[in-house]
Amino acid sequence: QVTLKESGPVLVKPTETLTLTCTVSGFSLNNDRMGVTWIRQPPGKALEWLAIIFSNDEKSYSTSLKTRLSISKDTSKSQVVLSMTNMDPVDTATYYCARVQWFGTYFFYYYLDVWGEGTTVTVSS
Amino acid sequence: DIQLTQSPSFVSASVGDRVTITCRASQGITSYLAWYQQKPGKAPKLLIYAASVLQSGVPSRFSGSGSGTEFTLTISSLQPEDFASYYCQQVKSYSWTFGQGTKVEIK
Repeated sequence: QVTLKESGPVLVKPTETLTLTCTVSGFSLNNDRMGVTWIRQPPGKALEWLAIIFSNDEKSYSTSLKTRLSISKDTSKSQVVLSMTNMDPVDTATYYCARVQWFGTYFFYYYLDVWGEGTTVTVSS
Repeated sequence: DIQLTQSPSFVSASVGDRVTITCRASQGITSYLAWYQQKPGKAPKLLIYAASVLQSGVPSRFSGSGSGTEFTLTISSLQPEDFASYYCQQVKSYSWTFGQGTKVEIK
C-alpha cells in the first residue's frame, strides 16, 4: 500500500523558515517514472502547486515562490523535505505532498495519484 | 505561467442530475490536464488524467474530455458522495497550476 505522510511544525513565526517532511512508504524514491510534489491550500482557498523532485533528483519550483523554496530527498529514509524561507501569515495553509507518476515517451502526462492527508501550518507571532 | 479558469465556481444540483464543469487554459495545453475531487477536510483525490483517462477505481459516471484550451469534467448522474469541490490542474509546463475550483452543492 502506497502512503505519504507530512510532518512538521504546526506553528511558525513570521520570517522563520518552515521545514516539512514527507515520509513515503510502498514505493521507492528511486523508482523510475515517479516523483514527489508539494501542494498547499490556504483555508477556504484553492490548491497551489509548490515544487517537485524526481527520482533522478531533477527539481522544479513554483515561479512565484522559487526564491523561497528548496526541495530535497533522502532515499535511504524515504523522505522528501521542503523548506520555505521568510514565512508570512499569508503562508498559513494545509501543506500536502503527493506521488507523481507519468506515462508517455517523448511527451509526459503527469498525474498525482496518491496524496498525504496534509499538515496544517499557521504563521503567527 | 498558464492560468486555468473553471466555470462555474458553484453548482447547485440534485441527486441524479448531469453536471458539467469547464476548465479553460490561458494557452494550449494539448491533453496535459488532470481533474481532482476534494471533500471538506480531506486531501484531493485523482479522478481523471491526460484529459480523459479515468483513474483506476473511479466510477464510470465521471468522464473528462477536451484538448487545447477547453476541457470538461462530466458527472453523468450525480450521487450523494459526489458533493465536493473539483479542481483541474495543468501539467503541460512548469509551474504546474490549478484552477480555482468548482463546488458542487446539494440543491
